[in-house]
Amino acid sequence: DAGVIQSPRHEVTEMGQEVTLRCKPISGHDYLFWYRQTMMRGLELLIYFNNNVPIDDSGMPEDRFSAKMPNASFSTLKIQPSEPRDSAVYFCASRRGAVYEQYFGPGTRLTVT
Amino acid sequence: DQQVKQNSPSLSVQEGRISILNCDYTNSMFDYFLWYKKYPAEGPTFLISISSIKDKNEDGRFTVFLNKSAKHLSLHIVPSQPGDSAVYFCAASSTGTASKLTFGTGTRLQVTL
Repeated sequence: DAGVIQSPRHEVTEMGQEVTLRCKPISGHDYLFWYRQTMMRGLELLIYFNNNVPIDDSGMPEDRFSAKMPNASFSTLKIQPSEPRDSAVYFCASRRGAVYEQYFGPGTRLTVT
Repeated sequence: DQQVKQNSPSLSVQEGRISILNCDYTNSMFDYFLWYKKYPAEGPTFLISISSIKDKNEDGRFTVFLNKSAKHLSLHIVPSQPGDSAVYFCAASSTGTASKLTFGTGTRLQVTL
């Protein structure tokens, strides 16, 4: 079975540009999570979805960040406009039902110059 | 406000010896704990977990110990192998917020020959 798929794996963009990160969860998983990893703060939960519906977006840092899940097999995290402090590795994870264990994708390394 | 803390950013252990990674938490509502392992350029992968109704859980070379009164858990790896060299994240969750995992900042383990 394919794991969680994220694209692109690396993204370099200039300040002010729009950035879109993509995620395909594991088939059959009904929860999807977006995380950001930085040296200072470790892994932070940004937002999560259950059955394509956003449940908790309290971790989204500001209005420049938005996330959507139009169907069970696709989600996007958008940053507009991007800033240098958004540089981090962004992970998508999914899980099935009420189990605690989440399965992570390989991450997207974002660099904003 | 770090609710899950891994105070040792790095640890070096000789091959064949025991590795002990530590994690402290502050939120008394946490009742389920997980350890994840992360290699460079990959997403975290689930390693082992423990419920608060237990004080020990073992899986092969990996054992997690939970001390609820001290709000402390540890991961023991015996014997350590070079392939165990990775960053280890401790994560916690509570039944009331079962979907959310709170992660520590990670400990980098290096197993030397």
